[in-house]
Amino acid sequence: KQEVTQIPAALSVPEGENLVLNCSFTDSAIYNLQWFRQDPGKGLTSLLLIQSSQREQTSGRLNASLDKSSGRSTLYIAASQPGDSATYLCAVRYILTGGGNKLTFGTGTQLKVEL
Amino acid sequence: DGGITQSPKYLFRKEGQNVTLSCEQNLNHDAMYWYRQDPGQGLRLIYYSQIVNDFQKGDIAEGYSVSREKKESFPLTVTSAQKNPTAFYLCASTQRWDSNGLAFFGQGTRLTVV
Repeated sequence: KQEVTQIPAALSVPEGENLVLNCSFTDSAIYNLQWFRQDPGKGLTSLLLIQSSQREQTSGRLNASLDKSSGRSTLYIAASQPGDSATYLCAVRYILTGGGNKLTFGTGTQLKVEL
Repeated sequence: DGGITQSPKYLFRKEGQNVTLSCEQNLNHDAMYWYRQDPGQGLRLIYYSQIVNDFQKGDIAEGYSVSREKKESFPLTVTSAQKNPTAFYLCASTQRWDSNGLAFFGQGTRLTVV
């Protein structure tokens, strides 16, 4: 079964700390992996997209890595700020046998950055 | 600005009533999707459409229906057959069904049964 798991479910850190969010997936047959941010009661905002052939992507203070063989991705946030407080979701676009693909989501990590 | 617009933001449904959630995109994307989000669970796929006049059931299609008469629009109807409809509903799109590009999401509709 193609699943996505995110640990921890919640994380609280002081402002300025560097932190890592983890995502693991069960099947290496993937097109890509996408990290999203979700604020309470809002939709999803795309942060980074890593294709299956890539090892990492960077955008500002964010860096996402992908290790397809071990089924893991990490989202690194440098110098965290209170404005980074949100739920971070990992989504894997799995390749389906017989054709097609499916975007499968983890349950997210709820991040709180405290002053 | 290009994007996905969902309306309404909040919707209340009485028992036995059908309601329709709107999703419009101006990104010229072929593929559109509906997801349901419940507390403590990942997003679950309800229906998807690869192209105009085509749609397929996702993992939890029972009690829902969709149409795709225009490329820009993919409305979701929550029927009275859906026994637990209270949830946050998200619409998404990608450039093509077989695309390895970004998935874009709307701001969601929160549906509550009263």
